[in-house]
Amino acid sequence: TAGITQAPTSQILAAGRSMTLRCTQDMRHNAMYWYRQDLGLGLRLIHYSNTAGTTGKGEVPDGYSVSRANTDDFPLTLASAVPSQTSVYFCASSEGRLTDTQYFGPGTRLTVL
Amino acid sequence: AQSVAQPEDQVNVAEGNPLTVKCTYSVSGNPYLFWYVQYPNRGLQFLLKYITGDNLVKGSYGFEAEFNKSQTSFHLKKPSALVSDSALYFCAVRDRGSQGNLIFGKGTKLSVKP
Repeated sequence: TAGITQAPTSQILAAGRSMTLRCTQDMRHNAMYWYRQDLGLGLRLIHYSNTAGTTGKGEVPDGYSVSRANTDDFPLTLASAVPSQTSVYFCASSEGRLTDTQYFGPGTRLTVL
Repeated sequence: AQSVAQPEDQVNVAEGNPLTVKCTYSVSGNPYLFWYVQYPNRGLQFLLKYITGDNLVKGSYGFEAEFNKSQTSFHLKKPSALVSDSALYFCAVRDRGSQGNLIFGKGTKLSVKP
């Protein structure tokens, strides 16, 4: 199975423009997550969804929004990009219990100029 | 608040030697602990986790980790390092007593030289 797919692989975006990062999983996992990875800071949670129809804020949610219309898809939207949002973005999913492993997608490298 | 510390930014070992990547944690209750590996330009891959039971956890690619509650540590180990083990390693914790999400350490770069 494909697991988790993310699109695009990379993107250069002008500041002030909007963009949606796509994430799709085929494991029928209940929970999905968006992280950003920055050098020296590790991974930080942006938003999460414990089940379709619900979302929650993570550690660094400002400037980002998410939706969870169905089980498989969890898009992340930047309404008006700023250079500080230059990062590598990872989507993850899990069955949803505290003991469950999170599985990660390949990532999207975003550069905001 | 939950936190994870990986005190070494980089660990260098020679191929064939044992390796240790350190991780300490801070949680209010009993923890769930995870190790992930990231190869260049790739996503994170799950290595192993501690939930309960035996303090020594065995995982993928010959890695293991020991949960030490008194020292609040969960160090990753491998008896004999391979050049192909060179990668970025992340420790993560989740507080069993809350609905909290995974908290990641900042990562440790492992370099294994022939």
